[in-house]
Amino acid sequence: AQSVAQPEDQVNVAEGNPLTVKCTYSVSGNPYLFWYVQYPNRGLQFLLKYITGDNLVKGSYGFEAEFNKSQTSFHLKKPSALVSDSALYFCAVSANTGGFKTIFGAGTRLFVKA
Amino acid sequence: DADVTQTPRNRITKTGKRIMLECSQTKGHDRMYWYRQDPGLGLRLIYYSFDVKDINKGEISDGYSVSRQAQAKFSLSLESAIPNQTALYFCATSDTGLAGTYNEQFFGPGTRLTVL
Repeated sequence: AQSVAQPEDQVNVAEGNPLTVKCTYSVSGNPYLFWYVQYPNRGLQFLLKYITGDNLVKGSYGFEAEFNKSQTSFHLKKPSALVSDSALYFCAVSANTGGFKTIFGAGTRLFVKA
Repeated sequence: DADVTQTPRNRITKTGKRIMLECSQTKGHDRMYWYRQDPGLGLRLIYYSFDVKDINKGEISDGYSVSRQAQAKFSLSLESAIPNQTALYFCATSDTGLAGTYNEQFFGPGTRLTVL
């Protein structure tokens, strides 16, 4: 069955330190992987995606993610966190498994402390 | 102006009432989606439409129906609302892209629905 796991409900990091938000997935066929960010009282905003090609994907606001096929992971990273990065982050996977499916993870809340 | 708009933004209703949530987009995308967000569960797909004549059930379609009135409009109805349909509802759109691929989605601001 198709699934997405974000194993951490919350990640705390100090401003200026690197951050990682974890995501693992399970899907039949080729995965289309996405990261979205949600600020309070707002809809989700697209950060980056992996479709094919280079395993390291660069996205908006200095974020990047690494696709690891053997570990079925797609962790979100940023070299230097900002207080303004504090938000709710969602990993999502889309696939054609006899019909379109998109599955979102439960979300990880990121707190960046000044 | 926002590319994806939702009306109303907030709604409180009673059990058994019929509710319609509306979504409009100016992005020119063919694909539109309805999701609900519940704390700790992420977003779950209710219905999706890949063009005006295409409607498909998602993960949790029971108790909901949709109508794709035009390329730019996709409405979600709760025929007889119940309390466990209290949630944050999002509409989203995406570009068609290459055949067999899926592009990123663009979300509206959400509708907070409370069913008493």
